[in-house]
Amino acid sequence: EVQLVESGGGLVQPGRSLRLSCAASGFTFDDYAMHWVRQAPGKGLEWVSGISWNSGSIGYADSVKGRFTISRDNAKNSLYLQMNSLRAEDTALYYCAKDGGNSAYYPLWSLYYFDYWGQGTLVTVSS
Amino acid sequence: DIQMTQSPSSLSASVGDRVTITCRASQSISSYLNWYQQKPGKAPKLLIYAASSLQSGVPSRFSGSGSGTDFTLTISSLQPEDFATYYCQQSYSTPPTFGQGTRLEIK
Repeated sequence: EVQLVESGGGLVQPGRSLRLSCAASGFTFDDYAMHWVRQAPGKGLEWVSGISWNSGSIGYADSVKGRFTISRDNAKNSLYLQMNSLRAEDTALYYCAKDGGNSAYYPLWSLYYFDYWGQGTLVTVSS
Repeated sequence: DIQMTQSPSSLSASVGDRVTITCRASQSISSYLNWYQQKPGKAPKLLIYAASSLQSGVPSRFSGSGSGTDFTLTISSLQPEDFATYYCQQSYSTPPTFGQGTRLEIK
């Protein structure tokens, strides 16, 4: 059974930093790209960032580019999101999501759809 | 970025009804369209990928169709557990973008 468990969220002041983690199990982690998707309270879904199986390809939404850094540790089956210079508009539930495509079978580093999601970790940016 | 627009934004229906939700892309996305279901307090769940492929474990009453810019999600006979918010999402180009959601409520 695929499991994705996020952690690291909390209340943080504007301008400060936070690091999110996602522990993955139930699948071969280093076969898949992974992503972060967020949802502001009462709002829709927004893709934040994605990373290929070997960290060779990375993408960011314009809204977080230059402030957030995605990374992974395949030995620990873990995904991370380092969030710096946080703003009030970054307040959201952050989901870790598994890419829908196995990198062994597709030439693209990501199929950009998300077949399994964690339960999310809440980040609140407020003074 | 590709804009995704869903209609309607909300919908009231009864158990047993046939329901259709529409999603329109701001440019052609071939068949790179996915549908998710989200229940209150829960993570989204993938229902349909590549416009019409049913994700493993998803009931066959869910179906998707369309290509280019216009897509539909159909629920053939609504069940009580289907009342939720539905999102479309394009995977044609980065950044992947979502529709604003369609809230399906009990009539």
